[in-house]
Amino acid sequence: QVQLVQSGSELKKPGASVKVSCKASGYTFTTHAINWVRQAPGQGLEWMGWINTNTGRPTYAQGFTGRFVFSLDTSVNTAVLQISSLKLEDTAVYYCARDVIRGVYNWFDPWGQGTLVTVSS
Amino acid sequence: QSALTQPASVSGSPGQSITISCAGTTNYVGNYNLVSWYQQHPGKAPKLIIYEGSKRPSGVSTRFSGSKSGDTASLTISGLQTEDEADYYCCSYVAGSDYVFGTGTKVAVL
Repeated sequence: QVQLVQSGSELKKPGASVKVSCKASGYTFTTHAINWVRQAPGQGLEWMGWINTNTGRPTYAQGFTGRFVFSLDTSVNTAVLQISSLKLEDTAVYYCARDVIRGVYNWFDPWGQGTLVTVSS
Repeated sequence: QSALTQPASVSGSPGQSITISCAGTTNYVGNYNLVSWYQQHPGKAPKLIIYEGSKRPSGVSTRFSGSKSGDTASLTISGLQTEDEADYYCCSYVAGSDYVFGTGTKVAVL
């Protein structure tokens, strides 16, 4: 079955960097983009952007430029989110989600299980 | 700042029907029905329950239905069950632009 499996929880200090991986299985990895979504504690979902898994080109939403980098390792069907210069407010659960396109319609299915990144001194 | 506005909470008794609205700008909701809906139980990842505005993925209960009127999309849950207690998010996409999520609605079954 189509599945996205993310890496485990991370505890980091302010100023450090973190990588979150999202491994895809059950479909051809390069045929669907991967999106990243942030959910701060007790808050709603926030779209961070997406990466074209065919070209490797990332697109970042407003507010997620500079410290956030999307990349791929297509040899192992994995998308990676890297956050540098971590701040306390980066504490959140980060989700990856497969982009499904049909004509003018787009949606996310499935989602990874989420990765909790905690930034604390 | 989200461009899609949802009520913070909606509640109902078992067996009742409830509707969650998702109000947005013309670019996001008014054209076609580009809205998808996601259910999120506490501590769990979101799950797709409606796509293309009104279609259900395989395995999603027929009690969930989606619709649109003008610039507002809606999710209706009929025959409310305790397992429907969760957060619900609408989401829309504008080609060449981006995705935006709704503010989220907590559904309580009284």
